[in-house]
Amino acid sequence: NAGVTQTPKFRVLKTGQSMTLLCAQDMNHEYMYWYRQDPGMGLRLIHYSVGEGTTAKGEVPDGYNVSRLKKQNFLLGLESAAPSQTSVYFCASTSRGYEQYFGPGTRLTVT
Amino acid sequence: AQSVTQPDIHITVSEGASLELRCNYSYGATPYLFWYVQSPGQGLQLLLKYFSGDTLVQGIKGFEAEFKRSQSSFNLRKPSVHWSDAAEYFCAVVRDGGFKTIFGAGTRLFVKA
Repeated sequence: NAGVTQTPKFRVLKTGQSMTLLCAQDMNHEYMYWYRQDPGMGLRLIHYSVGEGTTAKGEVPDGYNVSRLKKQNFLLGLESAAPSQTSVYFCASTSRGYEQYFGPGTRLTVT
Repeated sequence: AQSVTQPDIHITVSEGASLELRCNYSYGATPYLFWYVQSPGQGLQLLLKYFSGDTLVQGIKGFEAEFKRSQSSFNLRKPSVHWSDAAEYFCAVVRDGGFKTIFGAGTRLFVKA
């Protein structure tokens, strides 16, 4: 039982490049989330999903897109990376929307 | 708007000393409250949670927290801190039917020998 996994763990992008972050969970959770963590700002919700095929915007969705084609996977895309998107990205999942289970994070640097 | 405030950005305590991390929330109804811990380079892990009932809740690693409705607080405590407790701690509240969580900005705990 791996819990929540994220790939890649680290990535460096140049401004304007695109990439996709993958989150996978093996706990059969309905709800999945993408957060970004920046110093002194806690975790901010980017997008979330309450079930397969559904997504919704969170607090800071601009510049990101998501897809949930399979229940166990939640993808976060950056279409045209900007330095302001340098951050640590965390995926989380939960079954009833309360306690969240987090992945180990992806550290992204945009130069 | 609902919010969670952790007044202390960082705290330093000596190993073996007691610890209290503060958390205040702004929420219209009885909230569901959580404390998470994040060790360096790791994701967040749940320490404890409060939904209802006894206002003093026990968690993992010897932590406890007390819900005080009159003060809108949910402070985290530990009687004797260990060096391995050095980490960042996040208070959180669940809103919107239970599938959105609002996190505080975090308190970083330093433990000195």
